[in-house]
Amino acid sequence: AQTVTQSQPEMSVQEAETVTLSCTYDTSESDYYLFWYKQPPSRQMILVIRQEAYKQQNATENRFSVNFQKAAKSFSLKISDSQLGDAAMYFCAYRRGETSGSRLTFGEGTQLTVNP
Amino acid sequence: NAGVTQTPKFQVLKTGQSMTLQCAQDMNHNSMYWYRQDPGMGLRLIYYSASEGTTDKGEVPNGYNVSRLNKREFSLRLESAAPSQTSVYFCANGPTNANTEAFFGQGTRLTVV
Repeated sequence: AQTVTQSQPEMSVQEAETVTLSCTYDTSESDYYLFWYKQPPSRQMILVIRQEAYKQQNATENRFSVNFQKAAKSFSLKISDSQLGDAAMYFCAYRRGETSGSRLTFGEGTQLTVNP
Repeated sequence: NAGVTQTPKFQVLKTGQSMTLQCAQDMNHNSMYWYRQDPGMGLRLIYYSASEGTTDKGEVPNGYNVSRLNKREFSLRLESAAPSQTSVYFCANGPTNANTEAFFGQGTRLTVV
């Protein structure tokens, strides 16, 4: 079974600084996707960034980037120039490559606080 | 487009009461899912439906039943609510061949007293 682990229950960062959230996963599959979701106090689950396992290049979305280390099964999220609106719970998630019935497996979450 | 819509947003039940959480999508995705979110545990899969007419158990199915009424709708039923079912529930759809992303409803905060 696949597992996802986020070892940092809470993190904090100063506004405009950079923070990295850690995630490790375990799988025997070769075809899979990894995701970071943001959950603000509104509870809405918002996709931040995704990474296809077959792509060696790390995904980037504006201020958000990942460090995908496939051999180490590590998938960290870097937030640059942190903003107050980045404060939220962040979840790392995994799913297998096939589309039919492919569920997401989530980590425990990291609560990010952004200090002004 | 509303995406994925679930109702209600909040609910308080007494132990032993029953209720159904409703979920509907307007995105024509085959797969639909029900997750529960508990502090320190992330989101865990309760049940899912890979396609219309099929349902399967996830990680934590005990105490729940589901119905995939049609391609649009996937409901979650608590027959006899227990305090351990106090949680935030999310419905989601996806993925498809054209889109690897899952889309979530806004969540239901359920409290069982």
